[in-house]
Amino acid sequence: KQEVTQIPAALSVPEGENLVLNCSFTDSAIYNLQWFRQDPGKGLTSLLLIQSSQREQTSGRLNASLDKSSGRSTLYIAASQPGDSATYLCAVPFRQTGANNLFFGTGTRLTVIP
Amino acid sequence: DAGVIQSPRHEVTEMGQEVTLRCKPISGHDYLFWYRQTMMRGLELLIYFNNNVPIDDSGMPEDRFSAKMPNASFSTLKIQPSEPRDSAVYFCASSPGQVTDTQYFGPGTRLTVL
Repeated sequence: KQEVTQIPAALSVPEGENLVLNCSFTDSAIYNLQWFRQDPGKGLTSLLLIQSSQREQTSGRLNASLDKSSGRSTLYIAASQPGDSATYLCAVPFRQTGANNLFFGTGTRLTVIP
Repeated sequence: DAGVIQSPRHEVTEMGQEVTLRCKPISGHDYLFWYRQTMMRGLELLIYFNNNVPIDDSGMPEDRFSAKMPNASFSTLKIQPSEPRDSAVYFCASSPGQVTDTQYFGPGTRLTVL
């Protein structure tokens, strides 16, 4: 059964700290891995998409890594800011179920304290 | 582009009533997705369309749920009759559809069934 897990469920850090969010998935046969951000009462916004052939992607202060063999991904946020406070979700389309069928983790709720 | 548009943003109804949720995808996107988000189950794919044709509806929970896409710019998700356990946030998303593409989410419809 394809599953995506995220730990921790919640994280609180002081402004300026670097932090790492974790995502694990049960099947290494994936098309890609995506990280999304969700603000309260709003939809999801795509942050980074890593293809299965890639090891990492960077966008500004965000860096996402992918290790398919171990079924893990991390999202690294450098120099965190209060505006980074949101829920972060990872999502994976498994080859067994198709490129358009995203399985989402339950998310990590991040709070950055000014 | 205005992004994915969903209406209504909030819906409160009584058990047994019919509910219709609406979605306008981003112009030019070939894929449209309906998701449901609850605290217990997280974000789940209900159904998705390619070029207005339903491709995978395995996530639709019961026959009470139905979805249509009469044209490339409009889709509906209908629940008839509604039940309290249908209370959730329903998201619509669209995508160009390639493996390298992400999905673009609307702001969601918060449904409360009393």
